[in-house]
Formats: sequence, C-alpha cells, structure tokens
Amino acid sequence: GENVEQHPSTLSVQEGDSAVIKCTYSDSASNYFPWYKQELGKRPQLIIDIRSNVGEKKDQRIAVTLNKTAKHFSLHITETQPEDSAVYFCAASIGTGAGKSTFGDGTTLTVKP
Amino acid sequence: GAVVSQHPSRVICKSGTSVKIECRSLDFQATTMFWYRQFPKQSLMLMATSNEGSKATYEQGVEKDKFLINHASLTLSTLTVTSAHPEDSSFYICSADLAGGTQYFGPGTRLTVL
Repeated sequence: GENVEQHPSTLSVQEGDSAVIKCTYSDSASNYFPWYKQELGKRPQLIIDIRSNVGEKKDQRIAVTLNKTAKHFSLHITETQPEDSAVYFCAASIGTGAGKSTFGDGTTLTVKP
Repeated sequence: GAVVSQHPSRVICKSGTSVKIECRSLDFQATTMFWYRQFPKQSLMLMATSNEGSKATYEQGVEKDKFLINHASLTLSTLTVTSAHPEDSSFYICSADLAGGTQYFGPGTRLTVL
C-alpha cells in the first residue's frame, strides 16, 4: 500500500519568514495530494491541493510543488503569521473517486511573533 | 463548501458500555465515509471505510466486532465502540469524500472511557 513520509515533525520560524514542509510517497499510482491544517482540538481543513498533471499551485501565501519523478511534494508558506501555527498534514490518494487517503505524520508549525 | 457534522462532540462513559458516534453529511450525499482515530500529537489513523448499503472495509489491525460501522443512508454513518475500555479513549473523526479525493472532516468526538 501507499506510504507517506513527512518532514520535519516540528518547525519553528519567526513571523515573516517562510516555512517549507516536505512529503514523499511510494505509490506511483497516487495522483492527488492535498494538504490539511489542523488547529488544536479542531478538525483538519483542506488548505491547498495538487493533482499529478500539475507541477505547482499557488494560493496567496501558500504554494505546493510536486515532483512526480522523485515522488515528493512540498508545502511552502511565505510571510508566515502567528495564526499559521498549527499541525499540517500531507496526504496522497488516487483521486478518481472516493478513495482513501494516506496521511503523513504531521508537522507542528510554530510561528513566533 | 461541503459540511460534515459529528455527534456527540464529547462523551464520557464507563468501562464496558457501548458508545455510538454519528457522522452526517449536511449538504451533499456521501456514498463513502471514512473513520479515523487520532491520538494526541499524532496523525490520523484510518480505521475503516464506510460504504452506503454495504459492509465497511476495515484496516488491518482494527477489530470489526469492536468498532461497528453502519452506513444506513447517503448522509449518515455511525461508529459504535462496543464494550469500551480506557484504551479506547481517543479522538474519533469522520470524513466524507465529496468528489475527486478531497475529504471533508467532521469536528471530531472526544471519547473518554473511565
């Protein structure tokens, strides 16, 4: 089955700096890669996603890049703010239907004011 | 966006009792829902895939007789933790796949077994 590895497990940055979280996956059939943000005690919420026919996607301060050959994808957050502090999960799935996702172990991001 | 509700948000029960958790898709129909368990500071562990009108598909290591899943309609899936024990205490989250892989999560249920 699919295996997703996520690094780093914790990340601390100064407000205004950039943060990068990286994930690798094992199943070359995976073609959908979402990123979720989970604040303490709350549900995970989708922040950005990318499909395998695209190499990069950007939404304001958040961007995701995908390297299908190397089987890795990354989340980039620029101009970080304290409210960006949360746990971020990457996931991989075969997004042709209601297929299950495999999640990374999560990265706890702390943005220091 | 798609909204998924979950009830109850918190439950405390005595060891040996059963607890039912409901997951509803409020504004869309979900033929497939997922149930996860999350321990503090850990990732989402998929327990089972709930399929409307058929039996759930359980992940390896998850006891199907302990975690009963019923997906009776296109908007409701239930997870029943039978004969709960303290080690079953956890955060249980459901999700529904609207289309194409994006999952919409419920707010979660914090189960504490005394």
